[in-house]
Amino acid sequence: GESVGLHLPTLSVQEGDNSIINCAYSNSASDYFIWYKQESGKGPQFIIDIRSNMDKRQGQRVTVLLNKTVKHLSLQIAATQPGDSAVYFCAEIPRGAGSYQLTFGKGTKLSVIP
Amino acid sequence: NAGVTQTPKFQVLKTGQSMTLQCAQDMNHNSMYWYRQDPGMGLRLIYYSASEGTTDKGEVPNGYNVSRLNKREFSLRLESAAPSQTSVYFCASSEAVWDTEAFFGQGTRLTVV
Repeated sequence: GESVGLHLPTLSVQEGDNSIINCAYSNSASDYFIWYKQESGKGPQFIIDIRSNMDKRQGQRVTVLLNKTVKHLSLQIAATQPGDSAVYFCAEIPRGAGSYQLTFGKGTKLSVIP
Repeated sequence: NAGVTQTPKFQVLKTGQSMTLQCAQDMNHNSMYWYRQDPGMGLRLIYYSASEGTTDKGEVPNGYNVSRLNKREFSLRLESAAPSQTSVYFCASSEAVWDTEAFFGQGTRLTVV
């Protein structure tokens, strides 16, 4: 079965507000957790990753939080802009994977209201 | 900088027909992948090539074959298309198979009738 899933399939946010996209995972043996963004009609695009021994990592306007106790991953987008409208996927790579095992969740659609 | 280029962008096949999806990358990446994406689903790995000369099955390999033609090119072949293979297919590449950052093409929308 799928080990990476989402709390909410859709999220609507007012422009300028902060967005929080959540993801639950079940595979505790993952080395990395990753967020990808997919705009309509395009392929997914890497946003940010976090190693399993970290709790928080910040990028440009984005922050990823990892709570290993409850197996929860979140992506926070500051000052959400219309260009942030997309589907966001969390993904994971199992620990010690000698082969490629990047596993994607089903995605959350973020809609930004102007 | 083209990145990952897929051809064709759209294709309609009849059940039983065969076709090859082409993918090329110009980033000198070692690893290449083929995914399929179905409505409301995440991406599922079909096949991947960790490096030139090697290919391995992913989560959903049945009904597909791949060829790593050279370091740049990785093709996906459907020998006898079935309606269940109607999907959007994405090719991706990365520097190494354990990289978290993969670069995706624009996708091929395939319909099998």
